[in-house]
Amino acid sequence: EIVLTQSPGTMSLSPGERATLSCRASQSVSSGYVAWYQQKSGQAPRLLFYGAATRATGIPLRFSGSGSGTDFTLTISRLEPEDFAVYYCQQYGSSPGTFGQGTKVEIK
Amino acid sequence: DVHLLQSGGGFIPPGGSLRLSCAASGFTFTDYSMSWVRQSPGRGLEWVSSISGVSSLLGTSDITDYADSMKDRFTISRDNSKNTLFLQLNGLRADDTAIYYCAKGMWVGETHNVFDFWGQGALVTVAS
Repeated sequence: EIVLTQSPGTMSLSPGERATLSCRASQSVSSGYVAWYQQKSGQAPRLLFYGAATRATGIPLRFSGSGSGTDFTLTISRLEPEDFAVYYCQQYGSSPGTFGQGTKVEIK
Repeated sequence: DVHLLQSGGGFIPPGGSLRLSCAASGFTFTDYSMSWVRQSPGRGLEWVSSISGVSSLLGTSDITDYADSMKDRFTISRDNSKNTLFLQLNGLRADDTAIYYCAKGMWVGETHNVFDFWGQGALVTVAS
């Protein structure tokens, strides 16, 4: 199965700063089939992107996704208070679909 | 609005069984695959199983797929007349302890799943 490694594990930033989250796959993800989710404490994950760069419904423009092959990135251009959460990448190009271990974006 | 309302969960001894349910509303249930994903501190997010919707194009419905470690113990099913998804868990082990989420797929097929809506989660604790 494809292993996804997210980095960093935790990032401490201030509101207004830019966040760049990395997701690296152990082998190429076919067709860029990578999704990103946001999870806040005590809540279910929320879909942000699929197909590496296609924004899900209602996701603000400050969020962007990119990447191909084995390297994928989620960028938050200017952090808002509600963006502090844990972010997960998922590959769904190969079975079984797998998730990264998450990156926590915390308030500095 | 899409809603996935879960029920079930609880405290189960090793070797026990449990059935989780997920009542869906706000979308045409048969048009989409449905899945179960679990989350635990030790394993993180882990896909458990998926079941396809009804594909008039392919003439298929209710095709299932499982994670290898769960296929002999867990059974996914759906009642399309009641818009409800189920997961039967048998032979539970301590490492099955997790929050189990039901999730709606973005398309009808059981593979290549992206999960656009999630239930609230059900905690399953396996311990003696």
